[in-house]
Amino acid sequence: QSALTQPPSASGSPGQSVTISCTGTRSDIGDHNSVSWYQCHPGKAPKLVIYEVSKRPSGVPDRFSASKSGNTASLTVSGLQPEDEADYYCSSYTGSNSLIFGGGTRVTVL
Amino acid sequence: QVQLVQSGGGVVQSGKSLRLSCAASGFVFSNYGMHWVRQAPGRGLEWLALIWFDGNVQHYADSVKGRFTVSRDNSKSTLFLHIASLRGDDSATYYCGRDMWGTPHSYFYGLDVWGQGTTVTVSS
Repeated sequence: QSALTQPPSASGSPGQSVTISCTGTRSDIGDHNSVSWYQCHPGKAPKLVIYEVSKRPSGVPDRFSASKSGNTASLTVSGLQPEDEADYYCSSYTGSNSLIFGGGTRVTVL
Repeated sequence: QVQLVQSGGGVVQSGKSLRLSCAASGFVFSNYGMHWVRQAPGRGLEWLALIWFDGNVQHYADSVKGRFTVSRDNSKSTLFLHIASLRGDDSATYYCGRDMWGTPHSYFYGLDVWGQGTTVTVSS
């Protein structure tokens, strides 16, 4: 199964918003409310920032929000801060006892 | 605090085997499903395997089925990944991760705790 489709890059100035899309199929994103988003800084372990499409773990700022429509999920980071510069990956349950990740999006804070 | 501490990576010859470990602390390890994920240099995250809380069920990505084996020792709160017949494209940073829900019905809905990662380099 191919990776979920994410744009390779996105950028915004401090204080602005950036939105990242994650496109899959009906079998994965479309049929399951299992989309998660992970923030990855170089040399560090991934950090869960969104689970079950739009829920934020405790400790994640409410600047991070997410949604899903059909086979596409989206992550929005509002009020961009320098520490938000990172790679972001979406993931989804595939419906067949496996997990699939997106190709990743590098967010640059200009 | 809740943490996963990994060990076992390194430089290994092509064709050899390797076992990675992931020691859990700060939570009841036996209550959670556990995953392995890897990231090759310059590449994205790749899910590898899940093992149920009790170790009785394992699921694998098609790309590693037959060569990778996930196991756990709940008495020692430790997760393992055995990799056989190592190949160059197995060179990556390997992460263990905790599935955030304790019930198999909800597995794959998020990995909320991650190990620090361990690097495997396969040499020819």
